[in-house]
Amino acid sequence: GQQVMQIPQYQHVQEGEDFTTYCNSSTTLSNIQWYKQRPGGHPVFLIQLVKSGEVKKQKRLTFQFGEAKKNSSLHITATQTTDVGTYFCAGGAQKLVFGQGTRLTINP
Amino acid sequence: GAVVSQHPSRVICKSGTSVKIECRSLDFQATTMFWYRQFPKQSLMLMATSNEGSKATYEQGVEKDKFLINHASLTLSTLTVTSAHPEDSSFYICSAIETAYGYTFGSGTRLTVV
Repeated sequence: GQQVMQIPQYQHVQEGEDFTTYCNSSTTLSNIQWYKQRPGGHPVFLIQLVKSGEVKKQKRLTFQFGEAKKNSSLHITATQTTDVGTYFCAGGAQKLVFGQGTRLTINP
Repeated sequence: GAVVSQHPSRVICKSGTSVKIECRSLDFQATTMFWYRQFPKQSLMLMATSNEGSKATYEQGVEKDKFLINHASLTLSTLTVTSAHPEDSSFYICSAIETAYGYTFGSGTRLTVV
């Protein structure tokens, strides 16, 4: 079945440093979604990418969808303590398959 | 935006008892809902797809007789963990698809079986 791999598993940065998480799918995706889950919370939808090579920005967050629609990345510029949490990518047409997530911790 | 309400948020039950978790779509109808399980520091694993008016579709390795799903209306799906055991302790999350907003997740239910 479809598999979505995400790296790194953990990332610890100093506040103000950049952060990137990468997502790879074993199959071509119709779309990819990104979620953020704060400790003790539930996943919150961030964005959905649909088009090959698509790039979307949300303030300090930049999301990319690969040309082959099999990989994606989330980049955060100048992290802030409010960015702490686990970031998941998820893909799939009818049902979402989640990546393992990247847990971001920040040293203030 | 679309809201999915999940109840209860936390439950502690004795081993061998059953627990029911409710997932409601507010302000929209959801013919399909999804149930996930998340163990500590792990990802969300899809357990089953709940279809209104028909049987749920379970993922491989998920016991359908243990995790009973009922989707009797367009706004309510329930997950019943039957004869719960400590290894069933987990965070259970439902989600639904709303046309304009895509996937929306409930706030989750933390189940502890003692």
